[in-house]
Amino acid sequence: DAGVIQSPRHEVTEMGQEVTLRCKPISGHDYLFWYRQTMMRGLELLIYFNNNVPIDDSGMPEDRFSAKMPNASFSTLKIQPSEPRDSAVYFCASSSTGLAGGPLTGANVLTFGAGSRLTVL
Amino acid sequence: GQSLEQPSEVTAVEGAIVQINCTYQTSGFYGLSWYQQHDGGAPTFLSYNGLDGLEETGRFSSFLSRSDSYGYLLLQELQMKDSASYFCAAPDMDSNYQLIWGAGTKLIIKP
Repeated sequence: DAGVIQSPRHEVTEMGQEVTLRCKPISGHDYLFWYRQTMMRGLELLIYFNNNVPIDDSGMPEDRFSAKMPNASFSTLKIQPSEPRDSAVYFCASSSTGLAGGPLTGANVLTFGAGSRLTVL
Repeated sequence: GQSLEQPSEVTAVEGAIVQINCTYQTSGFYGLSWYQQHDGGAPTFLSYNGLDGLEETGRFSSFLSRSDSYGYLLLQELQMKDSASYFCAAPDMDSNYQLIWGAGTKLIIKP
């Protein structure tokens, strides 16, 4: 498997422009996560999907952010309009087990994509 | 609130042993995971502790004490390629059991 695939790897745009980040999860993984990473705030979970359905979007910072998962092999994270404070690395991750059921269940292992580094000028 | 605390930076010498600590406060306990992230790279899963004790995977080991809400990652025979940030993470009941993350520990290895 090629792992989790994200595009673009780097995006530089001007404030006010629309940004679309794309993700292809590992085949067979039923959970997909969008994270944002900055020096100041660390890793933040934005939203996650289970079987293409958004489960928890409480981490989405504002209405300017939206995410979709039209099928099991594709998801997008859109920012419209973008602002300089959105500059960050955005990671997509997928997992075969979204929930940790307890100590005997095992880890919820996330496989991350390489990330999309967004710079908003 | 729910949180995981880690030192921001640790420095060690090549060939030595280093321990990275993590104390946690979560709603419920569902295991502690460790991830490694090289500069410019993505986090990758290293190890998991669901029960108290030591889990060993090659040069890396991870320990958990649930009574102390504490865990650590132990790296032995340090190599320059181990220079990276290390994150502890744990599921949190109040966050729909999704992982919450420590701020990460940057490991600096000197020759």
